[in-house]
Amino acid sequence: GAGVSQTPSNKVTEKGKYVELRCDPISGHTALYWYRQSLGQGPEFLIYFQGTGAADDSGLPNDRFFAVRPEGSVSTLKIQRTERGDSAVYLCASSFQAGVVGELFFGEGSRLTVL
Amino acid sequence: GIQVEQSPPDLILQEGANSTLRCNFSDSVNNLQWFHQNPWGQLINLFYIPSGTKQNGRLSATTVATERYSLLYISSSQTTDSGVYFCAVRERGSNYKLTFGKGTLLTVNP
Repeated sequence: GAGVSQTPSNKVTEKGKYVELRCDPISGHTALYWYRQSLGQGPEFLIYFQGTGAADDSGLPNDRFFAVRPEGSVSTLKIQRTERGDSAVYLCASSFQAGVVGELFFGEGSRLTVL
Repeated sequence: GIQVEQSPPDLILQEGANSTLRCNFSDSVNNLQWFHQNPWGQLINLFYIPSGTKQNGRLSATTVATERYSLLYISSSQTTDSGVYFCAVRERGSNYKLTFGKGTLLTVNP
């Protein structure tokens, strides 16, 4: 597609539920990133994919968070047993390559609210 | 990890005024991007500027990598310029992770 596409744009769930957030990167971009933005803060790194593999998942807050990118394109961020503190905007970005010349392009984000 | 500080945290302007936003970073970088986050939350790429000066219409940016800062200039501001401006850097030695500052909230009044 023309830009990074994220679905859903808004998700309201109850504490303890399971949530999946989807990201479709710009066509041809091999690198994909997930960030999380809390109110009043800048985005914070969660995980980075180069191709199908998670090259760095050091930003995932705990083992309730998991992300996959099985075919090297679309990625899904999965959150188990959601907690109120998980409420945030989850941003996905992609870049043509992960090298030093890689400019990141962000999607519109998925706003997650955990009641 | 690298620290990114943006100033001022908040800025209120009258339409037509000029402004300068600053981004300081604590270590060498190989990438620096400026973003505008609009009221709907979308992060819009403004500049990819690890060094040097670039201009795009009423906006321009300068990065002095050796002195570890970047400046974003907005001239003849418009109400549509309102939103949060983020600076994000990629630390030298990393080839993927961007670290964001806390942003500058700009309000342009008519």
